[in-house]
Amino acid sequence: QVQLQESGPGLVKPSETLSLSCSVSGASVSGGGYYWGWIRQPPGKGLEWIAYMYYSGTTNYNPSLRGRVTISIDTSRNQFSLRLNSVTAADTAMYFCGRISVGDGWSPNWLDPWGQGSLVIVSS
Amino acid sequence: IVLTQSPGILSSSPGERATLSCRVSQSVNDKLAWYQQKPGQAPRLLIYGASTRATGIPDRFSGSGSGTDFALTISRLESEDFAVYYCQQYAKSFLTFGGGTQVHI
Repeated sequence: QVQLQESGPGLVKPSETLSLSCSVSGASVSGGGYYWGWIRQPPGKGLEWIAYMYYSGTTNYNPSLRGRVTISIDTSRNQFSLRLNSVTAADTAMYFCGRISVGDGWSPNWLDPWGQGSLVIVSS
Repeated sequence: IVLTQSPGILSSSPGERATLSCRVSQSVNDKLAWYQQKPGQAPRLLIYGASTRATGIPDRFSGSGSGTDFALTISRLESEDFAVYYCQQYAKSFLTFGGGTQVHI
């Protein structure tokens, strides 16, 4: 059974960098066939895709966040990470990590499973 | 690609049939998934490929549609089905979600 678990600080000051990790068990992030990605959900609102990455290095970012966000994979620790720079209150959200199967032509598919989420509040 | 879900809130009762709609701004063929999210929990995959149930999902959940119009039907609502439901397209490398439909009693 594949399980994902997010970890990281729950409170980040404005203008600083948000850093989260997602530990994967029951599967290898370098096993192929899957992207590893991040989704966020502001309190009381809907879901927003942030980024995804393949273990070989292919990445894709939401254009609305491009320039502030970096996703990376650590195959030795079987985890992947998110960094979001220059945060503001608008970045306050529950951050979920998830596994995304690779479809035709290397396109991403649906997310399954998801981690439980990590709430990040941006406040001074 | 913009996904518009309706209604925003669906009031229903256990045992009733519920139909949720997801309209997409351009054709995604059958590249649409549905998720269920309960308070304080992560979304759970219900349907992918517009109509294929994910592993372990009860057969009272069914998905239909293609192109730009999709539906999620819950044939007989059970108390555990009261939640928020989201659709998601994956026709493009840029993933997008609908705004959600809350199903409540």
